[in-house]
Amino acid sequence: AQTVTQSQPEMSVQEAETVTLSCTYDTSESDYYLFWYKQPPSRQMILVIRQEAYKQQNATENRFSVNFQKAAKSFSLKISDSQLGDAAMYFCAYRSAGGGADGLTFGKGTHLIIQP
Amino acid sequence: DTGVSQDPRHKITKRGQNVTFRCDPISEHNRLYWYRQTLGQGPEFLTYFQNEAQLEKSRLLSDRFSAERPKGSFSTLEIQRTEQGDSAMYLCASSLVRNSQINYGYTFGSGTRLTVV
Repeated sequence: AQTVTQSQPEMSVQEAETVTLSCTYDTSESDYYLFWYKQPPSRQMILVIRQEAYKQQNATENRFSVNFQKAAKSFSLKISDSQLGDAAMYFCAYRSAGGGADGLTFGKGTHLIIQP
Repeated sequence: DTGVSQDPRHKITKRGQNVTFRCDPISEHNRLYWYRQTLGQGPEFLTYFQNEAQLEKSRLLSDRFSAERPKGSFSTLEIQRTEQGDSAMYLCASSLVRNSQINYGYTFGSGTRLTVV
Protein backbone atom coordinates (compact mmCIF):
# COMPACT_ATOMS: atom_id res chain seq x y z
CA ALA A 1 0.00 0.00 0.00
CA GLN A 2 1.10 3.52 -0.69
CA THR A 3 1.73 6.05 2.04
CA VAL A 4 2.09 9.81 1.91
CA THR A 5 3.94 11.74 4.62
CA GLN A 6 3.80 15.46 5.28
CA SER A 7 6.26 16.17 8.06
CA GLN A 8 5.30 19.81 8.65
CA PRO A 9 2.03 20.10 10.60
CA GLU A 10 2.19 23.89 10.35
CA MET A 11 4.16 26.47 8.39
CA SER A 12 4.16 30.24 8.63
CA VAL A 13 5.35 32.74 6.01
CA GLN A 14 5.30 36.48 5.57
CA GLU A 15 3.08 37.85 2.87
CA ALA A 16 4.94 38.17 -0.46
CA GLU A 17 7.61 35.70 0.65
CA THR A 18 8.23 32.17 -0.64
CA VAL A 19 7.42 29.00 1.27
CA THR A 20 8.06 25.33 0.52
CA LEU A 21 5.85 22.52 1.81
CA SER A 22 7.34 19.05 2.00
CA CYS A 23 5.86 15.72 0.96
CA THR A 24 7.37 12.26 0.70
CA TYR A 25 5.65 9.09 -0.39
CA ASP A 26 6.30 5.40 -0.48
CA THR A 27 5.31 3.18 -3.38
CA SER A 28 6.57 0.22 -5.36
CA GLU A 29 4.85 1.44 -8.51
CA SER A 30 6.65 3.19 -11.34
CA ASP A 31 3.69 5.03 -12.83
CA TYR A 32 1.49 7.26 -10.73
CA TYR A 33 0.20 10.79 -10.22
CA LEU A 34 0.91 13.24 -7.45
CA PHE A 35 -1.24 16.17 -6.41
CA TRP A 36 -1.32 19.12 -4.07
CA TYR A 37 -4.76 20.13 -2.82
CA LYS A 38 -5.71 23.21 -0.84
CA GLN A 39 -8.52 23.13 1.74
CA PRO A 40 -9.51 26.60 2.98
CA PRO A 41 -11.71 27.03 6.04
CA SER A 42 -14.74 26.77 3.73
CA ARG A 43 -13.74 23.09 3.52
CA GLN A 44 -13.89 22.50 -0.23
CA MET A 45 -10.76 20.79 -1.52
CA ILE A 46 -9.26 22.62 -4.48
CA LEU A 47 -6.66 21.17 -6.83
CA VAL A 48 -3.51 23.30 -6.80
CA ILE A 49 -1.16 21.35 -9.03
CA ARG A 50 -0.56 17.86 -10.37
CA GLN A 51 2.43 15.89 -11.60
CA GLU A 52 2.62 12.74 -13.71
CA ALA A 53 5.44 10.49 -12.52
CA TYR A 54 6.62 9.75 -16.07
CA LYS A 55 7.28 13.43 -16.68
CA GLN A 56 10.69 14.69 -15.61
CA GLN A 57 9.71 18.32 -15.94
CA ASN A 58 8.38 19.85 -12.77
CA ALA A 59 4.82 21.15 -12.99
CA THR A 60 4.10 24.84 -12.51
CA GLU A 61 0.85 26.78 -12.14
CA ASN A 62 1.39 30.51 -11.83
CA ARG A 63 2.86 31.10 -8.34
CA PHE A 64 2.83 27.40 -7.50
CA SER A 65 5.54 24.97 -8.56
CA VAL A 66 6.72 21.56 -7.47
CA ASN A 67 10.09 19.91 -7.01
CA PHE A 68 9.52 16.30 -8.02
CA GLN A 69 12.36 13.95 -7.14
CA LYS A 70 11.22 10.50 -8.25
CA ALA A 71 14.23 8.56 -6.99
CA ALA A 72 13.94 10.19 -3.58
CA LYS A 73 10.12 9.88 -3.65
CA SER A 74 9.80 13.53 -2.79
CA PHE A 75 7.22 16.03 -4.03
CA SER A 76 7.49 19.48 -2.48
CA LEU A 77 5.30 22.49 -3.23
CA LYS A 78 6.74 25.96 -3.56
CA ILE A 79 4.47 28.96 -3.24
CA SER A 80 6.01 32.20 -4.45
CA ASP A 81 4.81 35.69 -3.56
CA SER A 82 2.55 34.32 -0.81
CA GLN A 83 -0.85 35.98 -0.53
CA LEU A 84 -3.33 36.10 2.33
CA GLY A 85 -5.69 33.94 0.27
CA ASP A 86 -3.13 31.15 0.28
CA ALA A 87 -3.83 30.48 3.96
CA ALA A 88 -5.31 26.98 4.17
CA MET A 89 -4.57 23.33 4.83
CA TYR A 90 -2.46 21.82 2.06
CA PHE A 91 -2.63 18.13 1.32
CA CYS A 92 -0.29 16.06 -0.78
CA ALA A 93 -1.96 13.10 -2.51
CA TYR A 94 -0.94 10.05 -4.51
CA ARG A 95 -2.89 8.21 -7.17
CA SER A 96 -1.91 4.97 -8.82
CA ALA A 97 -1.88 4.94 -12.62
CA GLY A 98 -2.87 1.28 -12.66
CA GLY A 99 -6.22 0.25 -14.05
CA GLY A 100 -9.13 -0.10 -11.65
CA ALA A 101 -7.73 1.70 -8.64
CA ASP A 102 -8.80 5.32 -8.63
CA GLY A 103 -8.67 6.41 -4.99
CA LEU A 104 -6.36 9.13 -3.74
CA THR A 105 -4.05 8.53 -0.78
CA PHE A 106 -3.60 11.75 1.18
CA GLY A 107 -1.04 12.94 3.69
CA LYS A 108 -2.10 14.46 7.00
CA GLY A 109 -1.75 17.98 5.70
CA THR A 110 0.21 21.14 6.45
CA HIS A 111 -1.52 24.18 7.90
CA LEU A 112 -0.15 27.24 6.11
CA ILE A 113 -0.36 30.58 7.91
CA ILE A 114 0.27 33.82 6.03
CA GLN A 115 1.53 36.67 8.20
CA PRO A 116 0.46 40.10 6.90
CA ASP B 1 -22.85 23.91 -13.50
CA THR B 2 -22.51 24.64 -9.80
CA GLY B 3 -19.92 21.97 -9.04
CA VAL B 4 -20.28 19.04 -6.69
CA SER B 5 -23.15 19.46 -4.21
CA GLN B 6 -23.53 17.62 -0.93
CA ASP B 7 -26.52 17.53 1.35
CA PRO B 8 -26.87 18.08 4.23
CA ARG B 9 -23.92 20.27 5.25
CA HIS B 10 -24.24 19.17 8.86
CA LYS B 11 -25.91 16.19 10.53
CA ILE B 12 -26.17 15.45 14.22
CA THR B 13 -27.52 12.04 15.11
CA LYS B 14 -27.80 9.79 18.12
CA ARG B 15 -25.71 6.68 18.36
CA GLY B 16 -27.50 3.75 16.78
CA GLN B 17 -29.50 5.78 14.29
CA ASN B 18 -29.18 5.48 10.52
CA VAL B 19 -28.11 8.43 8.40
CA THR B 20 -28.03 9.04 4.67
CA PHE B 21 -26.02 11.62 2.75
CA ARG B 22 -26.49 12.72 -0.82
CA CYS B 23 -23.98 13.83 -3.43
CA ASP B 24 -24.76 15.44 -6.78
CA PRO B 25 -21.67 15.38 -9.02
CA ILE B 26 -20.85 17.62 -11.93
CA SER B 27 -23.37 16.53 -14.54
CA GLU B 28 -20.96 15.32 -17.23
CA HIS B 29 -18.69 13.47 -14.77
CA ASN B 30 -18.99 9.70 -14.91
CA ARG B 31 -16.93 8.86 -11.80
CA LEU B 32 -18.01 9.63 -8.27
CA TYR B 33 -15.97 9.12 -5.09
CA TRP B 34 -16.63 9.11 -1.36
CA TYR B 35 -13.98 10.02 1.22
CA ARG B 36 -14.01 10.38 4.99
CA GLN B 37 -11.97 13.03 6.78
CA THR B 38 -11.50 13.10 10.55
CA LEU B 39 -10.14 16.06 12.46
CA GLY B 40 -6.47 16.67 11.85
CA GLN B 41 -6.22 14.02 9.14
CA GLY B 42 -6.24 13.92 5.40
CA PRO B 43 -9.23 12.44 3.58
CA GLU B 44 -9.42 8.65 3.41
CA PHE B 45 -10.81 6.93 0.34
CA LEU B 46 -14.00 4.92 0.87
CA THR B 47 -15.37 3.93 -2.52
CA TYR B 48 -15.96 5.05 -6.09
CA PHE B 49 -18.43 4.51 -8.92
CA GLN B 50 -18.13 4.63 -12.66
CA ASN B 51 -21.63 5.47 -13.80
CA GLU B 52 -23.83 3.18 -11.68
CA ALA B 53 -21.18 0.49 -11.07
CA GLN B 54 -19.31 0.47 -7.77
CA LEU B 55 -15.77 -0.41 -8.87
CA GLU B 56 -13.69 -0.15 -5.73
CA LYS B 57 -14.33 -0.28 -1.99
CA SER B 58 -11.85 0.46 0.76
CA ARG B 59 -11.45 -1.76 3.80
CA LEU B 60 -12.69 1.29 5.74
CA LEU B 61 -16.14 0.69 4.29
CA SER B 62 -17.54 -1.62 6.93
CA ASP B 63 -20.77 -3.60 6.59
CA ARG B 64 -22.66 -0.71 8.19
CA PHE B 65 -21.80 1.51 5.24
CA SER B 66 -23.49 1.28 1.88
CA ALA B 67 -23.23 3.51 -1.14
CA GLU B 68 -25.36 3.62 -4.23
CA ARG B 69 -25.48 5.48 -7.50
CA PRO B 70 -28.62 4.00 -9.03
CA LYS B 71 -28.88 5.97 -12.25
CA GLY B 72 -25.28 6.98 -12.65
CA SER B 73 -26.03 10.51 -11.53
CA PHE B 74 -26.38 11.37 -7.82
CA SER B 75 -25.12 9.05 -5.10
CA THR B 76 -26.14 8.27 -1.55
CA LEU B 77 -24.01 7.07 1.34
CA GLU B 78 -25.88 5.39 4.18
CA ILE B 79 -24.46 4.56 7.58
CA GLN B 80 -26.50 2.16 9.66
CA ARG B 81 -26.35 1.90 13.45
CA THR B 82 -24.04 4.89 13.74
CA GLU B 83 -21.20 4.85 16.25
CA GLN B 84 -19.29 7.75 17.77
CA GLY B 85 -16.29 6.75 15.68
CA ASP B 86 -18.29 7.56 12.56
CA SER B 87 -18.13 11.26 13.42
CA ALA B 88 -16.23 12.84 10.56
CA MET B 89 -16.52 14.94 7.43
CA TYR B 90 -17.77 12.92 4.47
CA LEU B 91 -16.50 14.28 1.18
CA CYS B 92 -17.76 13.52 -2.28
CA ALA B 93 -15.80 14.12 -5.48
CA SER B 94 -16.38 13.54 -9.17
CA SER B 95 -14.29 13.29 -12.31
CA LEU B 96 -14.57 12.52 -16.01
CA VAL B 97 -12.96 9.47 -17.60
CA ARG B 98 -13.10 9.01 -21.37
CA ASN B 99 -12.01 5.96 -23.38
CA SER B 100 -10.36 4.50 -20.31
CA GLN B 101 -7.97 7.42 -20.23
CA ILE B 102 -6.77 7.78 -16.70
CA ASN B 103 -8.11 11.01 -15.34
CA TYR B 104 -6.19 13.05 -12.87
CA GLY B 105 -8.57 15.79 -11.89
CA TYR B 106 -11.13 15.52 -9.15
CA THR B 107 -13.67 18.13 -8.13
CA PHE B 108 -14.65 17.93 -4.48
CA GLY B 109 -17.82 19.01 -2.74
CA SER B 110 -17.87 20.94 0.53
CA GLY B 111 -18.67 17.84 2.54
CA THR B 112 -21.21 16.69 5.11
CA ARG B 113 -20.08 16.94 8.71
CA LEU B 114 -21.51 14.10 10.79
CA THR B 115 -21.59 14.26 14.58
CA VAL B 116 -22.72 11.16 16.44
CA VAL B 117 -23.73 11.86 20.06
